[in-house]
Order: sequence, then structure tokens, then C-alpha cells
Amino acid sequence: NAGVMQNPRHLVRRRGQEARLRCSPMKGHSHVYWYRQLPEEGLKFMVYLQKENIIDESGMPKERFSAEFPKEGPSILRIQQVVRGDSAAYFCASSSSTGGSYNEQFFGPGTRLTVL
Amino acid sequence: AQRVTQPEKLLSVFKGAPVELKCNYSYSGSPELFWYVQYSRQRLQLLLRHISRESIKGFTADLNKGETSFHLKKPFAQEEDSAMYYCALGVSGGYQKVTFGTGTKLQVIP
Repeated sequence: NAGVMQNPRHLVRRRGQEARLRCSPMKGHSHVYWYRQLPEEGLKFMVYLQKENIIDESGMPKERFSAEFPKEGPSILRIQQVVRGDSAAYFCASSSSTGGSYNEQFFGPGTRLTVL
Repeated sequence: AQRVTQPEKLLSVFKGAPVELKCNYSYSGSPELFWYVQYSRQRLQLLLRHISRESIKGFTADLNKGETSFHLKKPFAQEEDSAMYYCALGVSGGYQKVTFGTGTKLQVIP
């Protein structure tokens, strides 16, 4: 089991471009979480998805950000018209069925987005 | 809203000295607390959770609801303990939404 995979590991975009971050959960995991870590800050929850469903997007900025987790393929975090303030490390985590109690979230290596 | 505070950005201790990484939380409900660790060039990984009340790599953490704290302790620091440590608060109920602190870098001086 290769663990949670994220790509690319580093992404450079100019202001106004789009950024697409990919996350492949661990085998057998159907729950995906996205976190953002701004410089000098902790990880902040963005969105929680199950296959084909967004369960909680309360941490997502209202504009320009979207996430999906299709039936086939990785979860995608999409940032449109990036601005310098979007520069951060974006982490993905996955877990198995939650069932109301905590199931360990396994983290990917993160994608470091730099907006020029 | 829940919040996790780790007051120290950096904690330096000598090898063999005791370690205490501080964590305070604010949450009106019944919390689930965790410590995550990130070693250099490695992924964030779960170190321990308060529910299991276990000791991992010599580290322990006790949930003190009166003081709303969940400090991480180890009696004798080792060089391989040098890492970033994050305290996290889980809100139970349907699924776990985890709030992380800003992290403390532990530096063990040989």
C-alpha cells in the first residue's frame, strides 16, 4: 500500500491561472479530507468528501475554490484565478469508514503551491 | 467554534532532559484530542490519541478537562524525537472534523 499520494508535489502558477491538485487516497479508503497550511499557521480544514459527494465544505473559501471526488480517479482540489494569498501547502488525508467515531486520517506528502 | 493553541513555536531541550509540549484547546462539547508528528522529510502521522491512553515512543499525554489541556510529555528526550508536533482536536458526531494547532518544533540537542 503506497499510502496517500498527492501530485504534483510542487506547483508554480502565475496570478490568474488555475491550479489543480490531485489526491489519491489509500487503497480501501473512501473518505478524503483537504487541509491548507499557510506560512506560520497550522493545518486548516477545508473540505471533506466521500465518493461523488461533498460532505462538509465549511472550510472552503466561498469563491474560486472547488473540490471533487469522482467515482473513478483521484480527488481534485481546484483553485481558479489564483492569487498570491493562495500560496500554501495543501495536504490531503484519507480514512476508512468513520461510523461516528474517529478513524485515523492518513496524510499525503502535500502539494506546495507558489503563486508568482 | 473549536480552537487549539500551542504557545511554543520552538522548544529546545538537551538529550536526556524531560520534554513537555503544551497544548490547550477550547471546545464546548466532549473533545477527542490527538498528537500528530512530522519528522523531517516525512508525512504527518498520528502519534497518539487521548482515548487510547497509550504511550508511544515514550510519549504520553493526559487530557485535563478542567484546564482544557492535553500536554505531550516524555521523561527523557532522544535525538530522534526532533520533529514538528501538532496537537489536534476532533469534533465527533457523524465524522471527525479535526482542528490543528500551529505546531511546535522540538529540537533535541545532543
